[in-house]
Amino acid sequence: KQEVTQIPAALSVPEGENLVLNCSFTDSAIYNLQWFRQDPGKGLTSLLLIQSSQREQTSGRLNASLDKSSGRSTLYIAASQPGDSATYLCAVRRINTDKLIFGTGTRLQVFP
Amino acid sequence: NAGVTQTPKFHILKIGQSMTLQCTQDMNHNYMYWYRQDPGMGLKLIYYSVGAGITDKGEVPNGYNVSRSTTEDFPLRLELAAPSQTSVYFCASSAYPPKANYGYTFGSGTRLTVV
Repeated sequence: KQEVTQIPAALSVPEGENLVLNCSFTDSAIYNLQWFRQDPGKGLTSLLLIQSSQREQTSGRLNASLDKSSGRSTLYIAASQPGDSATYLCAVRRINTDKLIFGTGTRLQVFP
Repeated sequence: NAGVTQTPKFHILKIGQSMTLQCTQDMNHNYMYWYRQDPGMGLKLIYYSVGAGITDKGEVPNGYNVSRSTTEDFPLRLELAAPSQTSVYFCASSAYPPKANYGYTFGSGTRLTVV
């Protein structure tokens, strides 16, 4: 059974810091891994999607890496801003299924 | 381009009542999903559909039913509501295979309270 864990559960940092959010999964037979952002009371916004054959994806200040063999992904946020404050969720899609399995998320607060 | 639209945004339901959560998408995605999110928890899959007329159970299907008569619509029905169904419900859709950086599109959610 695929289990997805995110560490830390919550993080509070001053503006300008570079930070890393971690995601680990137990079954390496995945099709892809996706990082989402969720603002309070809102839906999920897709940030980055990494196919199983890829090692990383970048979008602006965000960089996501994938190490399938060790069951890990990291989301790197450069030069954090207060507007980055949100909950970040990772989700994996297992091979031969269409189901996303979500982690419980990391709640990030960036203060000025 | 509306994406995935859910209605209602909020609802209070009495124990034992039934209701339907609506979800529609205008991206011609063949895959659609219903998730629930409980406080402090990740999202859990209730039901999903890979195309009109085809549905399947997810991790937590008990107490729910779905139908998919068109590509655009994927309503979720709660029968005999229970307090354990108090949650935020998200509908999502995806193309297959997922396109780079746009795997899944989520609606803004329906916050349901059963009292």
